[in-house]
Amino acid sequence: AQSVTQLDSQVPVFEEAPVELRCNYSSSVSVYLFWYVQYPNQGLQLLLKYLSGSTLVKGINGFEAEFNKSQTSFHLRKPSVHISDTAEYFCAVRYKAAGNKLTFGGGTRVLVKP
Amino acid sequence: DGGITQSPKYLFRKEGQNVTLSCEQNLNHDAMYWYRQDPGQGLRLIYYSQIVNDFQKGDIAEGYSVSREKKESFPLTVTSAQKNPTAFYLCASSIVGQQNTEAFFGQGTRLTVV
Repeated sequence: AQSVTQLDSQVPVFEEAPVELRCNYSSSVSVYLFWYVQYPNQGLQLLLKYLSGSTLVKGINGFEAEFNKSQTSFHLRKPSVHISDTAEYFCAVRYKAAGNKLTFGGGTRVLVKP
Repeated sequence: DGGITQSPKYLFRKEGQNVTLSCEQNLNHDAMYWYRQDPGQGLRLIYYSQIVNDFQKGDIAEGYSVSREKKESFPLTVTSAQKNPTAFYLCASSIVGQQNTEAFFGQGTRLTVV
């Protein structure tokens, strides 16, 4: 079965420190990869997406992610976090053979401390 | 502005009652989705529809029903058969036939059984 694993359910981090959120997916076949952010009691907002080409993808709010096909990973990074980055982050995968359906990871809650 | 509107934002239901959550989009998207979000479990797909008058079960369809009479609307009914309906429900939409595009999300409806 297709699955997405976010290895950390919670990540505490100090303001201005770097953060990495890990995401692994279950299959190495053709995929499209997404990271979304969710602020409390709100919907999901797209941070970035990998479709093809360069394996390093830059998104909004200073986030970037690197696609690693051999490790089936798509880790999200930010070199210096801000208090406003406190939110839950979701990795999502669309398998080309599965039509339009998105499969989500369990989410990583980031808490930025002053 | 184009987007997805979910209503109501908060909904309370007595045990044994059916309730319907509204989702409307003006993005001209063919595909619409309903997800359920529980703490630590990410988003789980309830139902999805890729065209008017057609829809498919997702991973957790039991106790839910949907209709797609109009392209813009995809209401979700939580029936009394759903044993644990308290959750945050998210509606999304996307373009059909272009897998490299992201899904757009509404702001969610928080349903509480009292």
